Amino acid sequence: QQQVKQSPQSLIVQKGGISIINCAYENTAFDYFPWYQQFPGKGPALLIAIRPDVSEKKEGRFTISFNKSAKQFSLHIMDSQPGDSATYFCAASISSNYQLIWGAGTKLIIKP
Amino acid sequence: DGGITQSPKYLFRKEGQNVTLSCEQNLNHDAMYWYRQDPGQGLRLIYYSQIVNDFQKGDIAEGYSVSREKKESFPLTVTSAQKNPTAFYLCASSIVRTDTQYFGPGTRLTVL
Repeated sequence: QQQVKQSPQSLIVQKGGISIINCAYENTAFDYFPWYQQFPGKGPALLIAIRPDVSEKKEGRFTISFNKSAKQFSLHIMDSQPGDSATYFCAASISSNYQLIWGAGTKLIIKP
Repeated sequence: DGGITQSPKYLFRKEGQNVTLSCEQNLNHDAMYWYRQDPGQGLRLIYYSQIVNDFQKGDIAEGYSVSREKKESFPLTVTSAQKNPTAFYLCASSIVRTDTQYFGPGTRLTVL
């Protein structure tokens, strides 16, 4: 129930294309869903986050889509660039304890 | 510059030795965390602390120990009891009772 399942494990997208990474959860008590971006040899950094009161949040080329009934959320990267090549992690938490539960990560490669 | 520093960046340990990983933050955050990252897996929580002189075990605390004598510092000791310590270790901090965690650059520990 505490798991967050992330797919795909790896993804190759052409420059200019749309990258889509999906996450699914079981615990309906989760109320915060962030995405983190990690470059090789670095720590993760918060990219964008959403709460269940909205179905979509957009920041620049990055969009989170949230489907509460399906218990799924996804990250869309529009006009993907080689600089977006990184590992992306979804996570979820319950605000009452603020402990993040992490997906396994998706290694994204953008081909020039 | 505000941020989280971890040292060393790379650490090599012989079997049977204890090693201590340093984590320092100047963000004035009360909460600090230690995670372990293995290839193809998400981040797993080792220990966390929400206040000085107090800390709690995470999901994989066996073979690890921590201390929190100062707000700025949260060192992690990997003991000889940890059977498979080779991994990338990440320290993070946050404002207590908020969701966003800020990560350091990590320490890569290799057991020889």
